[in-house]
Parts: sequence; structure tokens; C-alpha cells
Amino acid sequence: KAGVTQTPRYLIKTRGQQVTLSCSPISGHRSVSWYQQTPGQGLQFLFEYFSETQRNKGNFPGRFSGRQFSNSRSEMNVSTLELGDSALYLCASSLSGAREKLFFGSGTQLSVL
Amino acid sequence: SQKIEQNSEALNIQEGKTATLTCNYTNYSPAYLQWYRQDPGRGPVFLLLIRENEKEKRKERLKVTFDTTLKQSLFHITASQPADSATYLCALRLNNAGNMLTFGGGTRLMVKP
Repeated sequence: KAGVTQTPRYLIKTRGQQVTLSCSPISGHRSVSWYQQTPGQGLQFLFEYFSETQRNKGNFPGRFSGRQFSNSRSEMNVSTLELGDSALYLCASSLSGAREKLFFGSGTQLSVL
Repeated sequence: SQKIEQNSEALNIQEGKTATLTCNYTNYSPAYLQWYRQDPGRGPVFLLLIRENEKEKRKERLKVTFDTTLKQSLFHITASQPADSATYLCALRLNNAGNMLTFGGGTRLMVKP
């Protein structure tokens, strides 16, 4: 069974641009979560989607948004990029609802110059 | 305020010894706690989950304890091997929080041959 796939693996953008990251969950998984990881703040929850609906949202500005498609694939978008958005963005999938272990992808390393 | 603390200093041990990692939390009442392993440039990998009504969980060379009175979890790796060298993350999930996990900062474990 293929794992969680995130594309692209690396991305370089400049301030003010916008970016879209993609995540394909493990087949059959309906929950997709996004996390931001930085050396200073560690892993921080962005949002979670389940059956195309946002179920939880972390404490991030509105520039961060996401969506989930009917095939459970998910995208997250960051608009008006800032230098502080440079981070490893991780996607995680799980079978259904709560109390499930998360399967993480390898992440997208975003650098904002 | 809510905090999850792991020893930010690296833990260096000799091969064959038992590694013990600590996760302390304040102002949380977690439904369960999970431990993940993360290697450089990769996403976290799930290791163990322990629920609020469980005291101890084991899986092969791994053991986790959960003391909701002390608000602490201990993670043990017995007969440690150099391949166990990685960063270990604890994560809490609150009730009714879907798959939203709150992560500690992680502890880097180095096992020397």
C-alpha cells in the first residue's frame, strides 16, 4: 500500500507570492491533517479535513487555507507569503475519525526568500 | 497556559542500555497520548498510543507509561541500538478534537555503539 504522498518535495518562493501544496492520503483514509514544522515552534496543527469538511482549525492566520476533494486528496494554500512561512509542511492521513494513529508524508520544504 | 515539554537537550546513551524519554504537560486533560519517531528530512512515524485510562503499554522493545496525576508520560527503549537514534515526539489529543494533535518539541536520542 502506498504511503502518504506530498508534492512538491521542495519549493522556493518569494515574499508576497502564493503557494499550493498537495497531499494524497493512503488509499481508504478519509481524514487528512496538515501541520507546520519549524525549528523554533516545532510541529503545529494547521487544519484537519474529513469527508471534504474542515473539522478542526489551528491558530494560523486566514492566509492559510485548505480543502479536500471527494477522493480524499487535499491541498493547502498559503497566500501573500511571508519569510516566517518558511517551514516543513507535513500532511497526515488516518482511516476515519479520532483515536487513530496518523500516517505522515515526508513533507514539502517551503523556503520563502 | 497549556504546555507540553520534552527535554530539548539530546539524550546520549550507550548501545544496549535503556533510553528513557520524558513528556510533561500542564493544563491539559488529554484523551490519549501518542509517541512518534522522526528522522531528519522525514515525517514522524507512529510508535505507540496510550489512553487516559491506561497506565502502561508495550510493543517489542518499547514501553510507554501515562500518569494523569503527575501529568507525565515516560517512553522507554530497552536494549537500545544505534538505529534507534532519532528525534522522539510526544503528542496529546484532547477530547472532541478529531485528529488535532498537540506536539511537544521532541527529544533527540543518540545511541552510541
